[in-house]
Amino acid sequence: GQQLNQSPQSMFIQEGEDVSMNCTSSSIFNTWLWYKQDPGEGPVLLIALYKAGELTSNGRLTAQFGITRKDSFLNISASIPSDVGIYFCAGQKYGGATNKLIFGTGTLLAVQP
Amino acid sequence: GAVVSQHPSWVICKSGTSVKIECRSLDFQATTMFWYRQFPKQSLMLMATSNEGSKATYEQGVEKDKFLINHASLTLSTLTVTSAHPEDSSFYICSAKRNTEAFFGQGTRLTVV
Repeated sequence: GQQLNQSPQSMFIQEGEDVSMNCTSSSIFNTWLWYKQDPGEGPVLLIALYKAGELTSNGRLTAQFGITRKDSFLNISASIPSDVGIYFCAGQKYGGATNKLIFGTGTLLAVQP
Repeated sequence: GAVVSQHPSWVICKSGTSVKIECRSLDFQATTMFWYRQFPKQSLMLMATSNEGSKATYEQGVEKDKFLINHASLTLSTLTVTSAHPEDSSFYICSAKRNTEAFFGQGTRLTVV
C-alpha cells in the first residue's frame, strides 16, 4: 500500500531539546494529520491541518501544512520524557466515499532525561 | 474526545482457527470504519474500509475471504481472521470517523501459534 515518506526515521535527544520531523508525498493531500503512538496502543491525534500554508500549535507542538500540499512538518519544543513514542504523519484526500488516511513511515523519538 | 474501543486487546490462537476482533464507537455513530494492520516497527497499513450496511472495500493485496469484515450496526464493525497462520500475527487497529476526524481503537495484538 501507499505510504508517505517521513524523516528522520528515529531521533535520540536530550530532555529540553527541540525536535523537528517532516513528511513528504509525491501527490497532493487536502488534509495533513500528525499522530503519536505509544507501544501497544492505537495512534492519538496531535494536530490536524486543513489548509495549505496553515500553521497550527497544540501546546509545545507546532505543525505546518506545506504550500505545495505535498508536505508537512511537526516541531516539538522543549522535549520531555513523556514525548517518547512513534510519531506518524497522515495525509487525506477528499473525494470518493471513504476519505481514507495514508500514513507516513513513522519517526521514533527517544528522550533522555 | 470520541472513544473507539477494540476487543480483545490481545489474543493468542492456534494455527488454522479463526479469530474475531470487534471495533465499537462508544459515543457516536460511525457509518465508516477502517481496519489497519501494523507489523513491528512499521507503519499502519490500511486493510479495508468497513461501510455500515454494505460490503467492505478492501485494499489491493488484502484477501477478502481471509479477512472477513462485518459492519452490521452504526457502532460496531468486526474483523474475522479466518484460518489464521503465524504470518497473520500482527497488531490490528480500527478507526472510526466522526465528521472529518478519525478516532483509533487501542489495537488488538494477534499472535498465531
